[in-house]
Amino acid sequence: GAVVSQHPSRVICKSGTSVKIECRSLDFQATTMFWYRQFPKQSLMLMATSNEGSKATYEQGVEKDKFLINHASLTLSTLTVTSAHPEDSSFYICSARDEGQSYNEQFFGPGTRLTVL
Amino acid sequence: SQQGEEDPQALSIQEGENATMNCSYKTSINNLQWYRQNSGRGLVHLILIRSNEREKHSGRLRVTLDTSKKSSSLLITASRAADTASYFCATGSGGYNKLIFGAGTRLAVHP
Repeated sequence: GAVVSQHPSRVICKSGTSVKIECRSLDFQATTMFWYRQFPKQSLMLMATSNEGSKATYEQGVEKDKFLINHASLTLSTLTVTSAHPEDSSFYICSARDEGQSYNEQFFGPGTRLTVL
Repeated sequence: SQQGEEDPQALSIQEGENATMNCSYKTSINNLQWYRQNSGRGLVHLILIRSNEREKHSGRLRVTLDTSKKSSSLLITASRAADTASYFCATGSGGYNKLIFGAGTRLAVHP
């Protein structure tokens, strides 16, 4: 089956630093990837849709200058949390859409737990 | 933004019992999907039902979809302790099949 990886799986950083999270589709090409954020005991909230070779589309209320998304290739999207603060601490999950599937199934990465001190 | 609601928020049952979770949504959809998440882990895709389908089965899972009521249900039969997890519905819509997740149901199955 299609596999999506994320790196790192866990990161702890100081307030004010920037953190980059990578999302890779390992055995399929994904022109579209999605980034979600999940707070403890809550659901996943879609942050943005990442399109290869173009600007990401952000959901309402998500700061595009705070969460920089770059989808530079058909297998890699990155999310950079700039000047991270404790309130950015969360579980960040990416998914990649396999356009080869007729129903556009998304495959999810294992998530990255960010803790900002 | 979250589109739908799920109920119950939490469900506690004994092994062998059936578990039913419900999901409601607000707008038109391409499909509705159910996912499972163990604590602190990634998502596992369980089943997808298209907007023109009414019922789908996969092993011990049965999903129904009522587009007139904008609701879906997930039934897990003969539950096991290993089914303990959070279950989320997600509606897919638009050209990218963007997924919007419901609030989730935390299921606890006791041996």
